[in-house]
Amino acid sequence: QQQVKQSPQSLIVQKGGISIINCAYENTAFDYFPWYQQFPGKGPALLIAIRPDVSEKKEGRFTISFNKSAKQFSLHIMDSQPGDSATYFCAASKGGADGLTFGKGTHLIIQP
Amino acid sequence: NAGVTQTPKFQVLKTGQSMTLQCAQDMNHNSMYWYRQDPGMGLRLIYYSASEGTTDKGEVPNGYNVSRLNKREFSLRLESAAPSQTSVYFCASSLGRSSGNTIYFGEGSWLTVV
Repeated sequence: QQQVKQSPQSLIVQKGGISIINCAYENTAFDYFPWYQQFPGKGPALLIAIRPDVSEKKEGRFTISFNKSAKQFSLHIMDSQPGDSATYFCAASKGGADGLTFGKGTHLIIQP
Repeated sequence: NAGVTQTPKFQVLKTGQSMTLQCAQDMNHNSMYWYRQDPGMGLRLIYYSASEGTTDKGEVPNGYNVSRLNKREFSLRLESAAPSQTSVYFCASSLGRSSGNTIYFGEGSWLTVV
């Protein structure tokens, strides 16, 4: 049972455009939703995270939108740059438990 | 600023061989994790250690054992490697069990079982 579903698998965006990656979750006990960024040959690194008591969080060009009733959240990358080309993972965790449940990842390519 | 350090970086094993992946963190974190990453599968939790002296199974524990040697070190052992264990393995750590604690990852260990 896949608890966090991520789409699309791959995404190509022109430089300066908006990249949008979507995730949906099933377990209503999840209370923390981070996004991780991974470059080739490196480990994932935390990019931005949100809790379900807010509908949006913005850090620079990166924004998480959260829809609790639909059990969906998304990552928006504004003014996408070639340096943003990476694999992005959404994830979720629940209080008192350990570890994160990850989506399957989105391979993002920003074309110059 | 070492963070989470894993060794070895690359390893090729023959089916049936055993090996141990080593992991150490220097952030004084209580919780440590082992994940595996396979193409199109995301990251899946193998084992975790909520605190020194405790270990628990994650989503895909079969074929693996772990040891939390001390607060800093958490090793993953493959007793009899199988081709299905060909993967990239990531060790990670976090301050504690609270769901909001950031999980920090090492740079990965590429394992091929032939």
